[in-house]
Amino acid sequence: NAGVMQNPRHLVRRRGQEARLRCSPMKGHSHVYWYRQLPEEGLKFMVYLQKENIIDESGMPKERFSAEFPKEGPSILRIQQVVRGDSAAYFCASSPSRQLLGTGPSGEQYFGPGTRLTVT
Amino acid sequence: SQQGEEDPQALSIQEGENATMNCSYKTSINNLQWYRQNSGRGLVHLILIRSNEREKHSGRLRVTLDTSKKSSSLLITASRAADTASYFCATENDYKLSFGAGTTVTVRA
Repeated sequence: NAGVMQNPRHLVRRRGQEARLRCSPMKGHSHVYWYRQLPEEGLKFMVYLQKENIIDESGMPKERFSAEFPKEGPSILRIQQVVRGDSAAYFCASSPSRQLLGTGPSGEQYFGPGTRLTVT
Repeated sequence: SQQGEEDPQALSIQEGENATMNCSYKTSINNLQWYRQNSGRGLVHLILIRSNEREKHSGRLRVTLDTSKKSSSLLITASRAADTASYFCATENDYKLSFGAGTTVTVRA
């Protein structure tokens, strides 16, 4: 059973270009989460998606960032007109179901290897 | 602001010794999780402890949770060189994970 897949693993973009990051969740998982990790910091929540729905995008910058999880295909995190401050590692995670107040199945999220974005 | 904060920021120990790191958080949680991240890699889930649990074991790992003090600790016993990594605590409230900045552990051979 393949884990969470992310591609590309490394992405270099010049300022002003667009970056598209892809995430394929684990088989059977319908919940996808995107996190960003700046150097020497922990991961910061960006967005939570289910198939064809954005559930919570409270961690996404208001401009230039968007995310989708279509009915078919991987989840996409898109960053338009990238700036140097967007350089970071972007991690995707998936889970089989939404955790409900500590009940139900394990609350763990399964993380992909990340995409390291460098903006030059 | 970060929900979880780990202490210490860095830890260097000899192989075979125990490593202890702590995590403090601010708001109520459903559960608290510990993850490991090897340099340049993704996160690996280590252990989850629910808000109504006080202690949990998994192999050489022991996690405690004190909800009255809003703190948790991770103990790695009989450390190995392969335990060299950054360790993050993450609190889960609803579905969001909030991570601390991590503790970098170096195990010397």
